[in-house]
Order: sequence, then structure tokens, then C-alpha cells
Amino acid sequence: KNEVEQSPQNLTAQEGEFITINCSYSVGISALHWLQQHPGGGIVSLFMLSSGKKKHGRLIATINIQEKHSSLHITASHPRDSAVYICAVYGGSQGNLIFGKGTKLSVKP
Amino acid sequence: GAGVSQSPRYKVAKRGQDVALRCDPISGHVSLFWYQQALGQGPEFLTYFQNEAQLDKSGLPSDRFFAERPEGSVSTLKIQRTQQEDSAVYLCASSLYGGREGTQYFGPGTRLTVL
Repeated sequence: KNEVEQSPQNLTAQEGEFITINCSYSVGISALHWLQQHPGGGIVSLFMLSSGKKKHGRLIATINIQEKHSSLHITASHPRDSAVYICAVYGGSQGNLIFGKGTKLSVKP
Repeated sequence: GAGVSQSPRYKVAKRGQDVALRCDPISGHVSLFWYQQALGQGPEFLTYFQNEAQLDKSGLPSDRFFAERPEGSVSTLKIQRTQQEDSAVYLCASSLYGGREGTQYFGPGTRLTVL
């Protein structure tokens, strides 16, 4: 069983739709990252959170430590949001980042 | 540029060849990480440096993989006698402070294809 599970694996949306990507993890963590990866490989850190909720522009990330679950929401989605979104947690014996497989989002105009 | 850079961006190697992948972190960043990302998967941890010290190499898949950061800045990941299963994108990330829990800034990656 993967220690970090994301759903859905693939998501297609129409421009303007509200999008939710989910992340569940099985290890004890100190913090969770949401990352964005565009074609060509570059990864950008969107959020790092250990409790509650964070908002940046149209992006909102929430985490429920008790339920070991986090969500990434995108409001008023746009084609430029098309990317792979990756959840990662600090875990394991050494506390290294453990990544989910990613959710591939495609937003159609 | 102010970001993390990696070279080459693409590398094709014949099975059995040795390869060297370079990472230039953001100037002044203490921590440096290497990750391996297979097609359709999330990145997986390989190794971690704090300055020139390699504090964790638990993710290196075999003794064919070797990483160094001799002066605490540029790092090189070397793979000896490459195998087809080594084909992946190799990502480097750096972080301003020591420790594993700061914001990591990722390079664009090196896509290695072993024929």
C-alpha cells in the first residue's frame, strides 16, 4: 500500500469549474506539501501546511491531521492550471519527503 | 538565473555506460536533495546533503549510484554501468536551511533514457 494516495489520478474539467484533488496518507507527519509539475518536469511548491487551511489566489489547501487527509481546491479553473498536482508528506524513519503519484489535471477552454 | 539548474536536460546512454548528472542549487542554500521520478510516478528520495556532508543516502537504489557535493554547492549524481531500469527523470532540489522540512526549490530535472 502506498503511504501517500491521491485521487483522482486524472481529472478533466471545463474552464471555470471548481476542482478538488484529494490526498490521504498513512504515516505520521509533521507537514504536507502540495506541488505543481508542468510538462517538462519543473516542480513548484504551492503550499506547505501542518494544520487548518491556506489560501493563495484561486488555490486553497486544507488538512485534517486526525483523518490524515488533505485537499487542494482550485476555484474558477483556467486552462493554465493544467498540470500534475502532487501531494507529499514528511515521513518515514528519516523524515524525507514521500510523494504521491500525482493527479493530472486538464482544464478545457 | 536565480533558480536551481540541472544539466544536461536530456541524456541518452547505452546500457553499461557511466553517466554524470549535475545540479547547481540556489546560491547559499544549505540543503540539497536528489530524487528519481519514473514515468507516471511521483518522485522518490535518493539522497540528501547538508553543505558538503551527505547525511542520508538511504534512497540510492544500488551501489552503482553515487552522489557528491564536495564544496557544499554544486552536486553531481553519478550512475555507473547504467541499466534500462535507471531510465527516469532525476530531480534536484535545494533548501535555504539545514534540515529536511524547509521549502524545497526544484530544478527542471534531467531525463535519462538508457537504451
